[in-house]
Amino acid sequence: AQKITQTQPGMFVQEKEAVTLDCTYDTSDPSYGLFWYKQPSSGEMIFLIYQGSYDQQNATEGRYSLNFQKARKSANLVISASQLGDSAMYFCAMSLGNRDDKIIFGKGTRLHILP
Amino acid sequence: EAGVTQFPSHSVIEKGQTVTLRCDPISGHDNLYWYRRVMGKEIKFLLHFVKESKQDESGMPNNRFLAERTGGTYSTLKVQPAELEDSGVYFCASRGGPDLNTEAFFGQGTRLTVV
Repeated sequence: AQKITQTQPGMFVQEKEAVTLDCTYDTSDPSYGLFWYKQPSSGEMIFLIYQGSYDQQNATEGRYSLNFQKARKSANLVISASQLGDSAMYFCAMSLGNRDDKIIFGKGTRLHILP
Repeated sequence: EAGVTQFPSHSVIEKGQTVTLRCDPISGHDNLYWYRRVMGKEIKFLLHFVKESKQDESGMPNNRFLAERTGGTYSTLKVQPAELEDSGVYFCASRGGPDLNTEAFFGQGTRLTVV
């Protein structure tokens, strides 16, 4: 069965520092996609970044990058130069590359950026 | 382009009543998903529509929940009769196709409180 694991329920980071949010996944399917979503206190789900299982390079989107280590089945999110507005819940998610293409989520990590 | 819209944004109902949640996906998106997040817990998959067909409804908690997507456009999720444990935030998401490279866009969610 597919599974996403986020082992950090909460993190506190000083503003302007880089932060890494951990995510490991489990699937036997060779074709899959990995996502990160941000949920601020206002409640909406904001897409941050995507990584495909066949992508050779790590995905980057502005201050966000995804450290994809396929052999370890990890997809950590790195936020560079953190800002106060980065305080939120962060969810790692996975979708499989077949007709069963629902997206499954990890339990999330609550990130607090300290001034 | 309009995003995924959900309404109502909030609903407070008494145990035993009926509530219907609505989701309007992004126009042209075949895939529509329903998720639920109970306070402080993970985001749980409920079901997945491809156009008007239920692709996967393995996450539906019981037969008090009924989802429809007539005509493959908007979807409704009815809870009848509502129980206290049904409280949570219900998210809808849509996606362009089974291609891995399409992110899922989320609505703002409907916060359901059953008292």
